[in-house]
Amino acid sequence: GNSVTQMEGPVTLSEEAFLTINCTYTATGYPSLFWYVQYPGEGLQLLLKATKADDKGSNKGFEATYRKETTSFHLEKGSVQVSDSAVYFCALAGGTSYGKLTFGQGTILTVHP
Amino acid sequence: DAGITQSPRHKVTETGTPVTLRCHQTENHRYMYWYRQDPGHGLRLIHYSYGVKDTDKGEVSDGYSVSRSKTEDFLLTLESATSSQTSVYFCAISESDRGNQPQHFGDGTRLSIL
Repeated sequence: GNSVTQMEGPVTLSEEAFLTINCTYTATGYPSLFWYVQYPGEGLQLLLKATKADDKGSNKGFEATYRKETTSFHLEKGSVQVSDSAVYFCALAGGTSYGKLTFGQGTILTVHP
Repeated sequence: DAGITQSPRHKVTETGTPVTLRCHQTENHRYMYWYRQDPGHGLRLIHYSYGVKDTDKGEVSDGYSVSRSKTEDFLLTLESATSSQTSVYFCAISESDRGNQPQHFGDGTRLSIL
């Protein structure tokens, strides 16, 4: 079946540091890949997505590239802000699971001034 | 923001009692989902619905039932709550079951079973 593995957290960075959160996946067929973000006390919000190999999703300075050869979808941001502190989830959908999402375990990011 | 309302937002109850959580949407989306969020597990799918009266099981459905009598409402019921069902529950909606369509989430219900 489908699975998503995210890097272990929590991740603590200083403001303006470079961020990478690793995500790898196992899936049948050609899944779509997503990054969701969860701010304290809130639900998940879609951050970005990519629906086919070599697509790059981007939003709010965050980027992730769908790498089919390495089955990866790593999240990056060149300069993080305190307001980026949140939990980040990598997820996939598609193939035999249709629209049902499979999530990674989440990575807690804390950014200090 | 997608029009999704979960109720209640917080609930504390005792083992063995029935509990019903409600998800209400104003987007007229066909697909609705219930997830639970637990540390170290991300979100896991409990049940989902692909139309009125059409539901199916997800990854962690034991101990849960659902009903959807109207497009806008999707109810999750714990018939006899257990401490292992203490969790944060999220409802999500989507326009289609095509994998490239994102889901939109409610703000969650924090449920504690004592």
